[in-house]
This record gives sequence, structure tokens and C-alpha cells, in this order.
Amino acid sequence: EIVLTQSPGTLSLSPGERATLSCRASQSVTSNSLAWYQQKPGQAPRLLIYGTSNRATGIPDRFSGSGSGTEFTLTISRLEPEDFAVYSCHQYGNSLFTFGPGTRVDIK
Amino acid sequence: QVTLKESGPALVKPTQTLTLTCTFSGFSLSTRGIRVGWIRQPPGKALEWLARIDWDDDEFYRTSLKTRLTISKDTSKNQVFLTMTNMDPVDTATYYCARMNGFCSGDSCYSVGFDVWGQETKVTVSS
Repeated sequence: EIVLTQSPGTLSLSPGERATLSCRASQSVTSNSLAWYQQKPGQAPRLLIYGTSNRATGIPDRFSGSGSGTEFTLTISRLEPEDFAVYSCHQYGNSLFTFGPGTRVDIK
Repeated sequence: QVTLKESGPALVKPTQTLTLTCTFSGFSLSTRGIRVGWIRQPPGKALEWLARIDWDDDEFYRTSLKTRLTISKDTSKNQVFLTMTNMDPVDTATYYCARMNGFCSGDSCYSVGFDVWGQETKVTVSS
């Protein structure tokens, strides 16, 4: 199984700031099949990005994804109040899927 | 509109078998490229992928739980089932089913992640 590591564990930022979240895989992710999800307390995860850099339906363009191989990044260009949440990466290129441990984005 | 809904017992005793049902609408699991997965989240912890079943009946399981999990589907009823044997308190979690949409061209299919999730079902394992 591919192990995903996310950093930092917690990111404390103010609204309007830029957030950069990292996801590292223990081996190369096939076909860059890497997704990012946002999760708020008491809610199911919401798909933000798939295929490393494609925004899911209805996701604002302040969210962007990049990377390849074993290094992937989620960037939120200007944090809005509703963006403070936990973000998890997920690889689905390998037959056995895995999720990262998550990065919490807190209000500073 | 695509929806999924999990159902199953809220409380199971240690050593018992858990059976969860995912009832979905708005898509067919016989459509090429479609997958349904089960994911869980222990309280305060990260998401854990458990299993998935594909349109072509392929099944895949989390390595550490492979001996305890069985995923199956009833395409005619739009349902996917997950059984987990020998339940333990550490299996206490919120369980989700989710659709993985995909698009196929020729021999290749391109998946887009778990794009629609169920509303969750909480399972507590306790005597």
C-alpha cells in the first residue's frame, strides 16, 4: 500500500492569507491519481481536487492542486472564513486506495 | 441527482459481525468506470479506506483488514454491502460509502475520486 504523509499537521492562518498544504507518497502515484477532500466537523468529506489538479464541480478557483510522482500540493490562494477545515489527500492510482492523515487549517 | 445512504446497526458487541448497506440512486454500478467504496473515520482520527467494488465486480480490500472484510453488490437493487467480522472496540467509527465516478474510453478508464459521499453511519463496538 502507498503511505501518504501530509504536512504540516496544523496550519494557523488568517482569512485572506494563502495556504499551502503538502502530501507526500511513499511511492509514485499512478497516473497522478491524487485527490483532495475538505471536511468540516460533523460532515462527510467533500471532493475538491481530482487527478492532482482538476477542480471538482462547484469548487471555487481559489483552490488549486499541483504535483506529480510522490509530491503533491493543495493551494488555497486566499482563505475565506468557510475554508477553515481539515484537508485530506487520497491516492486512487494503486488498486489499494489510501488516505493521508489530514492537515487542519485553523483561524489564527 | 446522485445520493448514497448508509444503514446498519449503531451498536455491535465485540466478536460480532457488522453488516452495512449502502443504498444509492442516480447512477448504476453496472456502468463501466463506476466504483463504490467504504471508508471509515474513528473519532478524532483520519479517514481510512476499507474496500471497494467496481462495475466489473472487482473487489479490493485494505490490507490490514482483508481477512475480516467482504464487499458485495446487488446491482438490481442499487445496493452495496460491507461485512466486517470479529468486531472490536477499535472498530468504533463513522462509516461512509462513496461513489467513485469514472470515464472510460477504449480500454482505459479515468477515475475522479470519491465525488459523492453518503451521510454517514456511526458504529460503536461495546459490550
